[in-house]
Amino acid sequence: DIQMTQSPSSLSASLGDRVTITCRASQNIGSYLNWYQHKPGKAPNLLIYAASSLQSGVPSRFSGSGSGTDFTLTISGLQPEDFATYYCQQSYSTLLTFGGGTKVEIK
Amino acid sequence: QVQLQESGPGLVKPSETLSLTCTVSSVSITSYYWNWIRQPPGKGLEWIGHIHYSGGTNYNPSLKSRVTISVDSSKKQFSLKLTSVTAADTAMYYCARDFDGSGRILNFWGQGTLLTVSS
Repeated sequence: DIQMTQSPSSLSASLGDRVTITCRASQNIGSYLNWYQHKPGKAPNLLIYAASSLQSGVPSRFSGSGSGTDFTLTISGLQPEDFATYYCQQSYSTLLTFGGGTKVEIK
Repeated sequence: QVQLQESGPGLVKPSETLSLTCTVSSVSITSYYWNWIRQPPGKGLEWIGHIHYSGGTNYNPSLKSRVTISVDSSKKQFSLKLTSVTAADTAMYYCARDFDGSGRILNFWGQGTLLTVSS
């Protein structure tokens, strides 16, 4: 299995802050990395696919970067609706695996 | 807009078989991959497996011996069966459709159904 490790597991930030979340894969996965946003009681939402492609309808303040084993999700200018848990997921292997999640909370 | 809705019993006894259904709206089920994912309380997401509309399946090896995913295109539903459940199978269960036909990027998700295993 490809293990996905996210950091931090949680963070506190203020409105307007720039937030960075890191995801590391246990092996080289190229650009086969996706990011999801998950709010309690809601369906998870695909934000970024193929490491850096913004899903249709997702605000441009979300961006993704990286390749190989190290990836980053950046939120530029945190908005009230962005407080949620974020997950990375590798799509290199048929056995899909997710990171442990990063909970973004209000400071 | 593609909509998915999970349904299930809510409570299952240990050693019994869990059965969940995902009903798909606004799009034909005769395309793409249809997935099941779960999230135990306080833990992360675990991919269970998926089925292609043609019937081909892939399962997480950690669950493969207990899992069956099937599809009923006429009803626009796909289903999950998990045998010999234990408390470790208590989780929120989500169904999802893939993004591009690769089966590996999950674009549309249901809101989830909570399944508790308890006597």
